[in-house]
Amino acid sequence: GAVVSQHPSWVICKSGTSVKIECRSLDFQATTMFWYRQFPKQSLMLMATSNEGSKATYEQGVEKDKFLINHASLTLSTLTVTSAHPEDSSFYICSATYGTGGEKLFFGSGTQLSVL
Amino acid sequence: GENVEQHPSTLSVQEGDSAVIKCTYSDSASNYFPWYKQELGKGPQLIIDIRSNVGEKKDQRIAVTLNKTAKHFSLHITETQPEDSAVYFCAATKNTGFQKLVFGTGTRLLVSP
Repeated sequence: GAVVSQHPSWVICKSGTSVKIECRSLDFQATTMFWYRQFPKQSLMLMATSNEGSKATYEQGVEKDKFLINHASLTLSTLTVTSAHPEDSSFYICSATYGTGGEKLFFGSGTQLSVL
Repeated sequence: GENVEQHPSTLSVQEGDSAVIKCTYSDSASNYFPWYKQELGKGPQLIIDIRSNVGEKKDQRIAVTLNKTAKHFSLHITETQPEDSAVYFCAATKNTGFQKLVFGTGTRLLVSP
């Protein structure tokens, strides 16, 4: 149990285009999902917290108009990188809470975004 | 806010040896401490976790210890195998109903055959 599926696993796009990344909890309902960004050989940096049916809460320094998050159902959250530029190239990872107290956190397999 | 420090940044051991990774946290209100294993190009996997009301937890070759007074917790891997090679992250958080985890900087573990 507790499987989080993330797609695509990698994507290459041209500068100026938008890219959508999906995060699904396959066998549980996730009221809260999180989006992280990870640079090579670095730790995970929390970008935003996504609650089902409400607006996402963004961390300081993260542009909400650039990184659009939608959490339309208890099993799906999406991150759209709008007008992507080379500096947006990174490994993006989603996670979802699991457990009666929302304690355990399970991660998707990540999406490697390369913007040319 | 919470700050988590992790040491060492890299750790090389021979197969069969033990490996220990240590983390310290700053917020005494933190009460949940998970450990994640991340393989190259993949998302982190939860391998073990501990709550603040417990001092030690074991799961086969993996154990975690917590010292609340000193605000540090450690991951112990015994009888290491090459497949244990990965980056390990510790994290800490307060149980606020959802987990806004603060991660350590990661430890790259290399187990040589």
